[in-house]
Amino acid sequence: TQLLEQSPQFLSIQEGENLTVYCNSSSVFSSLQWYRQEPGEGPVLLVTVVTGGEVKKLKRLTFQFGDARKDSSLHITAAQPGDTGLYLCRGSGGSNYKLTFGKGTLLTVNP
Amino acid sequence: EADIYQTPRYLVIGTGKKITLECSQTMGHDKMYWYQQDPGMELHLIHYSYGVNSTEKGDLSSESTVSRIRTEHFPLTLESARPSHTSQYLCASSFSGINNEQFFGPGTRLTVL
Repeated sequence: TQLLEQSPQFLSIQEGENLTVYCNSSSVFSSLQWYRQEPGEGPVLLVTVVTGGEVKKLKRLTFQFGDARKDSSLHITAAQPGDTGLYLCRGSGGSNYKLTFGKGTLLTVNP
Repeated sequence: EADIYQTPRYLVIGTGKKITLECSQTMGHDKMYWYQQDPGMELHLIHYSYGVNSTEKGDLSSESTVSRIRTEHFPLTLESARPSHTSQYLCASSFSGINNEQFFGPGTRLTVL
């Protein structure tokens, strides 16, 4: 099983602050996805990164895929309470259907 | 927007009851998955399916069973529910392919008394 390590596990910040969460592995992925899950709902796909070094922006969220395609980061600028949720990364590639998600970062943005 | 449905959304039952959690998708996805998750915690894959008549166990051992008789339908059954089965159950689906992005249903919150 190709492990995905996410850090930090928990993060509580004030509205307006910036933050970065990380997703790391010793394995190379063909692509990596970030999902956000709000309480009581299923995860929703935010972005897929495919190319090493790729940077994608989604409003205040910036996603980066490592050059070696083993790690990724998510940076949120000026966090808002609506950003609160569980952020999950998932590596994809090959025929390993048992490859699953990282444990997630539980983010709380306080007003 | 993803079209994947789960029923019921909430279920409270007594120990020993047989239950079936329903999951249907209208996107024509060949792959489907069941995850178990406690609030705010990691997802645990318990079952998955490549297509019709194909089912496999996931990383987390589960006493539940699944079936895939139709492409769009992937129900999960517990023959005799116990309090240890209390959790959120999430169904997901995806196409084949190198990225196989997953689309999730809203989940079923199961409480076994």
